[in-house]
Amino acid sequence: AQSVAQPEDQVNVAEGNPLTVKCTYSVSGNPYLFWYVQYPNRGLQFLLKYITGDNLVKGSYGFEAEFNKSQTSFHLKKPSALVSDSALYFCAVRDNRGNTPLVFGKGTRLSVIA
Amino acid sequence: GAGVSQSPSNKVTEKGKDVELRCDPISGHTALYWYRQSLGQGLEFLIYFQGNSAPDKSGLPSDRFSAERTGGSVSTLTIQRTQQEDSAVYLCASSSIYRDEQYFGPGTRLTVT
Repeated sequence: AQSVAQPEDQVNVAEGNPLTVKCTYSVSGNPYLFWYVQYPNRGLQFLLKYITGDNLVKGSYGFEAEFNKSQTSFHLKKPSALVSDSALYFCAVRDNRGNTPLVFGKGTRLSVIA
Repeated sequence: GAGVSQSPSNKVTEKGKDVELRCDPISGHTALYWYRQSLGQGLEFLIYFQGNSAPDKSGLPSDRFSAERTGGSVSTLTIQRTQQEDSAVYLCASSSIYRDEQYFGPGTRLTVT
């Protein structure tokens, strides 16, 4: 069975500092990995995905994520945080059997302080 | 283009009543998913439709929950005899066979009193 762990419920970072939101996963076979962001009272917005290829994936709003197979991790990063990045971030995984449901982590609330 | 739409945005109902939640996916997307987002529970998968195949109902929490997808497009999630534990945000998503990511609607916030 697939699973995702986001070990931090809350991450606080000062504006302008780099941010990291952690994610580890478990899946049989090659993983398809995703990050989504949820702003208050909104649905989930797709940020980026890893399917294959380069381990460093670049996505929307300056976010990137690094796939590490040996550590089964897919941490979300941004070099310089903005106050507007404050939101709830979800990591998700599915296997490679085609369009199948995502398994989500519990989410990490990011707070960027001015 | 138009994204995934859901209606109603908010629904308050009395315990024991039936409710219907609607999802209109992105045009041309063959896959449609229902998820539930509860406080402290994160996002959980409910049901999944792919083209004309039989739906994957493995995530439905009880037989009070059912869903249909008519004409390969609009989907309705029905909850019968609602209970207070059904209170949550119900999210719909759709995806294309050409891309791997799912696109989510704004959700329906269901409150059972």
